[in-house]
Amino acid sequence: EDQVTQSPEALRLQEGESSSLNCSYTVSGLRGLFWYRQDPGKGPEFLFTLYSAGEEKEKERLKATLTKKESFLHITAPKPEDSATYLCAVRGGGYQKVTFGTGTKLQVIP
Amino acid sequence: DGGITQSPKYLFRKEGQNVTLSCEQNLNHDAMYWYRQDPGQGLRLIYYSQIVNDFQKGDIAEGYSVSREKKESFPLTVTSAQKNPTAFYLCATSNERSNQPQHFGDGTRLSIL
Repeated sequence: EDQVTQSPEALRLQEGESSSLNCSYTVSGLRGLFWYRQDPGKGPEFLFTLYSAGEEKEKERLKATLTKKESFLHITAPKPEDSATYLCAVRGGGYQKVTFGTGTKLQVIP
Repeated sequence: DGGITQSPKYLFRKEGQNVTLSCEQNLNHDAMYWYRQDPGQGLRLIYYSQIVNDFQKGDIAEGYSVSREKKESFPLTVTSAQKNPTAFYLCATSNERSNQPQHFGDGTRLSIL
């Protein structure tokens, strides 16, 4: 069974204080690892897809990286508007199901 | 405007009542999904459909039903058999052929009166 574990559960940063969120996964034949941002009362907003170890994707202050066992979402010089819950998900081989982690709730304080 | 529309945003259910949540998409995606989100838990799959007139149970299908009569629409009915229906319900779509990520609507929050 595919599994996704995100840490920490919550993270509080000062504006400008860079940090990383972790997503550890176990999957049979990775077909894609996905990062989403979710604001309160809203649906998840797609950020990145990573397909193979060593791959990196960037968008503004966010950078996602992937190894064979985990993915990191690096946040450089965060701003208060980056405050949200960040979700990680994986899709394994042979089945269309996507398994989601429970998320990291990020709060960036001015 | 392309996207996924869920309605209503808020819904209240009385005891013994069935309620239906709407999900409409104009992204021309083949696959559609329903998830349930509870505090402290990951999204859990209720039902999914990869093609019109076909759908499969997910991990927590008991007490729910769906239909897929049109490519654009995938309504979810929460039946009276679902004893703990209070949750945030999310509809998603994806283009399965190219293994693209799922994209989500803005959800329906269901509460019990």
